[in-house]
Amino acid sequence: AQTVTQSQPEMSVQEAETVTLSCTYDTSESDYYLFWYKQPPSRQMILVIRQEAYKQQNATENRFSVNFQKAAKSFSLKISDSQLGDAAMYFCAYRSRGETSGSRLTFGEGTQLTVNP
Amino acid sequence: NAGVMQNPRHLVRRRGQEARLRCSPMKGHSHVYWYRQLPEEGLKFMVYLQKENIIDESGMPKERFSAEFPKEGPSILRIQQVVRGDSAAYFCASSPIRTGPVSHEQYFGPGTRLTVT
Repeated sequence: AQTVTQSQPEMSVQEAETVTLSCTYDTSESDYYLFWYKQPPSRQMILVIRQEAYKQQNATENRFSVNFQKAAKSFSLKISDSQLGDAAMYFCAYRSRGETSGSRLTFGEGTQLTVNP
Repeated sequence: NAGVMQNPRHLVRRRGQEARLRCSPMKGHSHVYWYRQLPEEGLKFMVYLQKENIIDESGMPKERFSAEFPKEGPSILRIQQVVRGDSAAYFCASSPIRTGPVSHEQYFGPGTRLTVT
């Protein structure tokens, strides 16, 4: 079974600065997807960024980028120019490409990000 | 195009009562996923359904929990004889096709917060 670990329960960053959230995962599969989700106080789950394991290039979405290290099974999220609206719980998630196993997302425990003005 | 709808948003039940949580997927989506988020934890997969079929229920507790997605109407997650440990946020997600082999996103609803007193 796959597991996802986020070792930082809480992180803080000054507005306009850069912060990196860590995520490691364990799998025996070679092809899969990785995601970062944001959960603000409203509790709505919002997809921030996605990475396909077969792609070597790191995904980027505006101020959000990832550092995907497949051999190390590491998938960190970098937020540049942090904004107050980035404050939220961030979850790293794994999804298989299997027909049925690909139906479920496996989430880490989350990292609570605080942005200080 | 309305997003995934869940109701009620908040539900309070006494121990021993039944809880029924509803999820209306996005228009055109025929695949529904239920996740549970216990306090201070990440989301955990419960069940994956297509119209009139349960595809993967590997995350469902063996007793008291059931799910359905009828041909017409919303998907229902039913919890019988609720206990305090069932208090959690229950999220529904939907997708237009099976997400395993493709990178299609699961779109999340706002969740139902169940409190058992």
